[in-house]
Amino acid sequence: LAKTTQPISMDSYEGQEVNITCSHNNIATNDYITWYQQFPSQGPRFIIQGYKTKVTNEVASLFIPADRKSSTLSLPRVSLSDTAVYYCLVGDERAAGNKLTFGGGTRVLVKP
Amino acid sequence: GAGVSQSPSNKVTEKGKDVELRCDPISGHTALYWYRQRLGQGLEFLIYFQGNSAPDKSGLPSDRFSAERTGESVSTLTIQRTQQEDSAVYLCASSLGAGGAYEQYFGPGTRLTVT
Repeated sequence: LAKTTQPISMDSYEGQEVNITCSHNNIATNDYITWYQQFPSQGPRFIIQGYKTKVTNEVASLFIPADRKSSTLSLPRVSLSDTAVYYCLVGDERAAGNKLTFGGGTRVLVKP
Repeated sequence: GAGVSQSPSNKVTEKGKDVELRCDPISGHTALYWYRQRLGQGLEFLIYFQGNSAPDKSGLPSDRFSAERTGESVSTLTIQRTQQEDSAVYLCASSLGAGGAYEQYFGPGTRLTVT
């Protein structure tokens, strides 16, 4: 069971890049790394998923070092609307239920 | 296309009453998850279904909580004899498969308040 550790909160300013690192020291060979975003009063939504190296989509980038013991979600040029809680999940295609836990997430506050 | 829907969106009930929360997943999604989120907290796993079966019920807080799924579609989470500590947002998610490689699609949640 891959346990994840993230910072509780981060502050940033509009236009800056925000990097959130998630530690998952006991990640298994077949585990994927997935990030979700949750706005107040809404359910979480998928942002990005990766296995190794770097993944980029229209919203974010995900950097995964060779040892895969951590991953960094990068949000370029944030705006006020990026204020949300960001969750890191680690698990393989068979990990479900309590083997795939969201944890407390990182609360990101973007200031004007 | 339609996303995951949940009903009711808000429910206020008196302590000791039973409540039923409903989740309609995305059509074709075989996996369905229930989570609880207390105010300002992270998501707490309750139970998940693969088809109509629940391989993992380990997250249910007590025997007052139960859930079922029928027709590999709609799911109902039932809380009997509600307590004030049951007050939370209950979130449902569905995915094509049960596992970390599959994206979970969340509904808007049901906000339960027990008075």
